Amino acid sequence: EVQLVESGGGLVQPGGSLRVSCAASGFTFSSYWMHWVRQAPGKGLVWVSRIKNDGSGADYADSVKGRFTISRDNSKNVLYLQMNSLRAEDTAVYYCAREASNSWYIDSWGQGTLVTVSS
Amino acid sequence: EIVLTQSPGTLSLSQGERATLSCRASQNIGNSYLAWHQQKPGQAPRLLISGASNRATGIPDRFSGSGSGTDFTLTISGLEPEDSAVYYCQQYSSSRWTFGQGTKVEIK
Repeated sequence: EVQLVESGGGLVQPGGSLRVSCAASGFTFSSYWMHWVRQAPGKGLVWVSRIKNDGSGADYADSVKGRFTISRDNSKNVLYLQMNSLRAEDTAVYYCAREASNSWYIDSWGQGTLVTVSS
Repeated sequence: EIVLTQSPGTLSLSQGERATLSCRASQNIGNSYLAWHQQKPGQAPRLLISGASNRATGIPDRFSGSGSGTDFTLTISGLEPEDSAVYYCQQYSSSRWTFGQGTKVEIK
């Protein structure tokens, strides 16, 4: 069974930094491209970033480019999102998600971790 | 960037009725790059449909998807109480993934 468990969320001040993690199990992590998707309180889903299976390339939404960095450790089966220069509008639940093999769509989701940016 | 517009915003129907949800893309995305996800209150999303019409593993056959180009539809035939949720369409184009704003389905 695919399991994606996020951690590391919390309260951070505007301008601060935070790293959230996603522990993956139940599948061969190194074979899959992975995503981060966020959801502000009471709002819809917004794609944030994607990383290739071997970590050799990544894509970012314009709203986070230059501030957020996605990475992975395939030896530990962990996905990361380093968030710098955080703003109030980055407040959201951050979901880790798996991209379907040899495809483009998300086929599995974690339960999410809440990041709150506030003074 | 391709924008997905979902309608209606909220759909309120009785158990057993048919729900028809629309997703319109601002540009042609063919019929391969459209998916639907379901999100129940307090839960993570779940994949329902990929490639516009292919049900994901374990999804009941009352859920069906159709469409191509710019107009797509998710149909729920015979609503059950557990279908109360927000439904999102998702597309991929040019290394960007976008979601529609969602349609909330309420069971009267």
